Amino acid sequence: EADIYQTPRYLVIGTGKKITLECSQTMGHDKMYWYQQDPGMELHLIHYSYGVNSTEKGDLSSESTVSRIRTEHFPLTLESARPSHTSQYLCASSVPTGRGEQFFGPGTRLTVL
Amino acid sequence: QKEVEQDPGPLSVPEGAIVSLNCTYSNSAFQYFMWYRQYSRKGPELLMYTYSSGNKEDGRFTAQVDKSSKYISLFIRDSQPSDSATYLCAMDQGAQKLVFGQGTRLTINP
Repeated sequence: EADIYQTPRYLVIGTGKKITLECSQTMGHDKMYWYQQDPGMELHLIHYSYGVNSTEKGDLSSESTVSRIRTEHFPLTLESARPSHTSQYLCASSVPTGRGEQFFGPGTRLTVL
Repeated sequence: QKEVEQDPGPLSVPEGAIVSLNCTYSNSAFQYFMWYRQYSRKGPELLMYTYSSGNKEDGRFTAQVDKSSKYISLFIRDSQPSDSATYLCAMDQGAQKLVFGQGTRLTINP
């Protein structure tokens, strides 16, 4: 079982608040990813990182930002949350070889009122 | 047109049935094919991984890839209520950026 953790699991906040979603992994994986998933819909890649100090935007435009100061930690920040940000956010990491397997955390379900 | 198409279901079958889940894709550069299982309010977990065309079996699960038809399948034999989940196909062309299908919601009825 993959060791990748996300906190909080559930978050309900008001519009305009700044939030940070935490993601940590203990596997030493260089590659980490953030996905957004709405109910019944596919996962959309919003950010990824191939190592420390490396971050890239994914295929789905997002107002969130990420940082990668340590290998094991890949937090996602929303400076000013809006109701349109309500979604499930999933963090993943992958092995360094090119096989493509990604391991997911349990997700953070965010609701912005 | 989406790169990966997957029927969202829902699909409901009796316990013990053989389940067939499928995805089609348009990008011929995809080389790695995965199936993930996602229980309600959980993150996806990797179920099966295959490279290129062919079959791979793991217990009650068989993954099949037909690159000529751009079609992949997941078969579940002797289905159990604990198999009830959403099944997502995912594909990668080697850049380790996965493209996911929409997921098929499966219910196994006791």
